[in-house]
Amino acid sequence: SSELTQDPAVSVALGQTVRITCQGDNLRSYYASWYQQKPGQAPVLVIYGKNNRPSGIPGRFSGSNSGNTASLTIAGAQAEDEADYYCNSRDSSGHHWVFGGGTKLTVL
Amino acid sequence: QVRVQQWGAGLLRPSETLSLTCVVYGASFSGYYWSWIRQPPGKGLEWIGEINHSGNTNYNPSLKSRVTISVDTSKNQFSLKLSSVTAADTALYYCARVPNWIDSFDIWGQGTMVTVSS
Repeated sequence: SSELTQDPAVSVALGQTVRITCQGDNLRSYYASWYQQKPGQAPVLVIYGKNNRPSGIPGRFSGSNSGNTASLTIAGAQAEDEADYYCNSRDSSGHHWVFGGGTKLTVL
Repeated sequence: QVRVQQWGAGLLRPSETLSLTCVVYGASFSGYYWSWIRQPPGKGLEWIGEINHSGNTNYNPSLKSRVTISVDTSKNQFSLKLSSVTAADTALYYCARVPNWIDSFDIWGQGTMVTVSS
């Protein structure tokens, strides 16, 4: 199976831009999706596909892909963006899903 | 408004079988895969397996020998069974939907905490 690697923790000053990355060989074949999870809540999809936001997700969230790395960018981070962020994609077989270990985002 | 609601036993003894059910409101089953995902306390997400309306399944290779996912389209619900549980199976279990056209988990259940303890 494939693995997705994320930095455990990232911090950003209020109003600044932050990038959260996800690395894995299967990202050369599949797009990553990104989920935001706040304490005590279920994950929420924030980015899917090439760079698509579900309805209700603010425009400051965007996604990009290059080689084996997917990135989630938050432009002008807000206090309410403080959360855990998980990437996920299909594995190399295409029949299973894998998640990254998650990145804890702190907004200073 | 599509939503999923899940339920099941929250406390199990080692070696027992975990059983959870997720019912879907406001959407049909076809055109989607329906997954189970778990999250141990303080840890990350782990995909368990998925099923579609035809009963086609895919399972996490690391859990495949103990997992069964089934669907009852007449009741718009799907279920998870995980046999021979141990303390390592203690986790918050979620059901979630994957539309074929976005290939991402777009709708999640509220989660069910399952604790395995003797």
